Amino acid sequence: AQTVTQSQPEMSVQEAETVTLSCTYDTSESDYYLFWYKQPPSRQMILVIRQEAYKQQNATENRFSVNFQKAAKSFSLKISDSQLGDAAMYFCAYRSGVYGNKLVFGAGTILRVKS
Amino acid sequence: NAGVMQNPRHLVRRRGQEARLRCSPMKGHSHVYWYRQLPEEGLKFMVYLQKENIIDESGMPKERFSAEFPKEGPSILRIQQVVRGDSAAYFCASSPPGAYEQYFGPGTRLTVT
Repeated sequence: AQTVTQSQPEMSVQEAETVTLSCTYDTSESDYYLFWYKQPPSRQMILVIRQEAYKQQNATENRFSVNFQKAAKSFSLKISDSQLGDAAMYFCAYRSGVYGNKLVFGAGTILRVKS
Repeated sequence: NAGVMQNPRHLVRRRGQEARLRCSPMKGHSHVYWYRQLPEEGLKFMVYLQKENIIDESGMPKERFSAEFPKEGPSILRIQQVVRGDSAAYFCASSPPGAYEQYFGPGTRLTVT
């Protein structure tokens, strides 16, 4: 079974600075998708960024980018120019491209943004 | 296009009662997923449904839990004879056919007293 590990329970960043959240996963599949979701205090799950495993180019969405290292099974999220509104719990998630549609989530990283 | 809707947002049940959680997917989305988030934990998959069919229920507890997604109306997650351990946030997500992204509703927070 696939597993997703987020080794940083909590991270802090100064406003306007850059922070990187780590995520590693374990799979024997070659076709899969990876996601980062944000969960603010409202608890709404918000899709931040997605990456298809077959794409070598790292995904970017405005201030959010990923560093996808397929061989190392690593999928880190970089947040540039951090804003107070970025404070939230961030979850890394894996979805098989072949076997089923469910998302497998990591335990999450709490991101605190200091003004 | 309205997002995924869940109701109620908060539900309080006494031990032994039944809980019914509803999820209306986004327009055009025929795939529905239910996840459970226990306090201080990540989301755990429970069940994946398409209209009138359960596709994958590998994450559902064998007893007391059931889910349906009828031809008409919302998807329902039903928990019979609730226990304190069922207290959690229950999230519904939906996706259109052929898509790999899932869009989440705001969740239902179930509290069992």
